[in-house]
Amino acid sequence: SAVISQKPSRDICQRGTSLTIQCQVDSQVTMMFWYRQQPGQSLTLIATANQGSEATYESGFVIDKFPISRPNLTFSTLTVSNMSPEDSSIYLCSVYLRTTYTFGSGTRLTVV
Amino acid sequence: RKEVEQDPGPFNVPEGATVAFNCTYSNSASQSFFWYRQDCRKEPKLLMSVYSSGNEDGRFTAQLNRASQYISLLIRDSKLSDSATYLCVVRDTNAGKSTFGDGTTLTVKP
Repeated sequence: SAVISQKPSRDICQRGTSLTIQCQVDSQVTMMFWYRQQPGQSLTLIATANQGSEATYESGFVIDKFPISRPNLTFSTLTVSNMSPEDSSIYLCSVYLRTTYTFGSGTRLTVV
Repeated sequence: RKEVEQDPGPFNVPEGATVAFNCTYSNSASQSFFWYRQDCRKEPKLLMSVYSSGNEDGRFTAQLNRASQYISLLIRDSKLSDSATYLCVVRDTNAGKSTFGDGTTLTVKP
């Protein structure tokens, strides 16, 4: 399976600011996925990041709030913009490679 | 109705017990099935894939029933270290889309 390096692992941010989360994969993958996980809940897909095209967002998530970059086949960033306390959550990137989903270690975000 | 539904849990069992989780899915085009394990404050990790004929990995047995559209996970001789949340994942390969269940939490007690 792939190995993913995700950072930062955690952050505490002021409301109204933005945070960019990075994921680096040790293999080239066409699609990378960004999830959010509220405490005690399952994964919610935010968007699918495709190299060379715009990300595809799920219902309830918009590009202005969660802009995504995918400059190459091994790297992606997710920005949480204009944060509010409701954005406090764990954010995870993921890839599907060789019939296995591999996840980054997650970014635990607290907005105060 | 959710696309993937799991036993709500939580399951609290003593060490050595046998415990089973079920997961039902609504998309009949689903082709690949997995069980993932997520420890507290950690990312999900693949526990095992689920094959049509059923498969076993040590104390863990996974089964698929396509007619009834459910998969199951059986854990025998539970260990304290089995305490985690178990996520069912169903994938429609043609659509390139996977759906995660909400997870079932297992606590194994001494």
